Amino acid sequence: DTGVSQDPRHKITKRGQNVTFRCDPISEHNRLYWYRQTLGQGPEFLTYFQNEAQLEKSRLLSDRFSAERPKGSFSTLEIQRTEQGDSAMYLCASSWGLGPNQPQHFGDGTRLSIL
Amino acid sequence: GESVGLHLPTLSVQEGDNSIINCAYSNSASDYFIWYKQESGKGPQFIIDIRSNMDKRQGQRVTVLLNKTVKHLSLQIAATQPGDSAVYFCAENKNNQGGKLIFGQGTELSVKP
Repeated sequence: DTGVSQDPRHKITKRGQNVTFRCDPISEHNRLYWYRQTLGQGPEFLTYFQNEAQLEKSRLLSDRFSAERPKGSFSTLEIQRTEQGDSAMYLCASSWGLGPNQPQHFGDGTRLSIL
Repeated sequence: GESVGLHLPTLSVQEGDNSIINCAYSNSASDYFIWYKQESGKGPQFIIDIRSNMDKRQGQRVTVLLNKTVKHLSLQIAATQPGDSAVYFCAENKNNQGGKLIFGQGTELSVKP
């Protein structure tokens, strides 16, 4: 399978704990995106990278959230001191190109449940 | 505010019929639109895209129509099959906002055999 890969698929943790998710994009894609999706809603943009540079962050991405893409390949999204409201599906997508108008291809997400 | 929205939250069709899913957008600066299909427990799956310099684009069994005058986007699925049952999202991108996609709430398509 050469699509976008996310790990883990499911994460259950207690409130206040830190969690980290990993995304492996399609290998030749230089852009990587993180979105969050809650039940019944469309995905909401969190942040995106072009190669290793983080080019945009949503105001949804509070100080407790941090994303990295150190070598321009895989990316990690960390949430510190998790809260109930962080429960959601975290989706990663990737695309190729320098311009914005390229289709983004999504992974199957990491579902986070906060107890 | 700026938004991408769908007219109907649910759509039920008979197998073999054609389906039409509609989407309205509010920002005339949007220049790229995508349709995604999302099945339960999976990520959105790219179906088809269209740029603002086009008004129609066809794929395999799907057609996307863009009407910039009324800021309306539609997805037509020909000969709908049970495997087409899913939630469909439209999304827009504005060229001056990098790679961010703005999604609508989604339409659930149910195909009756």
